[in-house]
Amino acid sequence: QITLKESGPTLVKPTQTLTLTCTLSGFSLSTTGVGVGWIRQPPGKALEWLALIYGDDDKRYSPSLKSSLTITKDTSKDQVVLTMTNMDPVDTATYYCARYNDYTDKWFDPWGQGTLVTVSS
Amino acid sequence: SSELTQDPAVSVALGQTVRITCQGDSLRTYYASWYQQKPGQAPVLVIYGKNNRPSGIPDRFSGSSSGNTASLTITGAQAEDEADYYCNSRDNSGNHLGNVLFGGGTKLTVL
Repeated sequence: QITLKESGPTLVKPTQTLTLTCTLSGFSLSTTGVGVGWIRQPPGKALEWLALIYGDDDKRYSPSLKSSLTITKDTSKDQVVLTMTNMDPVDTATYYCARYNDYTDKWFDPWGQGTLVTVSS
Repeated sequence: SSELTQDPAVSVALGQTVRITCQGDSLRTYYASWYQQKPGQAPVLVIYGKNNRPSGIPDRFSGSSSGNTASLTITGAQAEDEADYYCNSRDNSGNHLGNVLFGGGTKLTVL
């Protein structure tokens, strides 16, 4: 069974750096055509893609947030980490990680349960 | 970069057929994938590729594509299909090639 689980702080202060960890189970990030992505969703709003990483360490970032995001992987721990600098209240959202299939067809499945991060002083 | 555009809201009578659309230049190159999200839950993949359903997704869900428009059709909508639906694709434009796009979502109401 393939699962992903997000973990990290639930509350961060403005200007702080957010670090979120996605722990993978049941699949390997080293498989060709497989990646892990981060997607967020502010309360009541739409999904927004943030970043994507593949087993060969290829990385993609949302153009609008690229300067504040870093995605890394620790294959030995089956973890993918997202850091986001200079957090602002508008970054309050549920943050999801999901496995990405990029072989022929392209899709995110499954998704983690998500973790709500609130940015407030 | 490209965008994916969805109607904000659509309604359908119980048991009738509804089509949810997604428009964007990237859809001329890539198939869309579709996700269902119910309140308080993570998104769930319902359609990917040309017209493929993951295991456990009812066959009343189907996908199609023409030009720059992808469609998710629910044939015989059920009350439990009331949810937000998002389309997703890769970006095929210039420097943003390989990035990921999500539509703004469509809220489906089953009357």
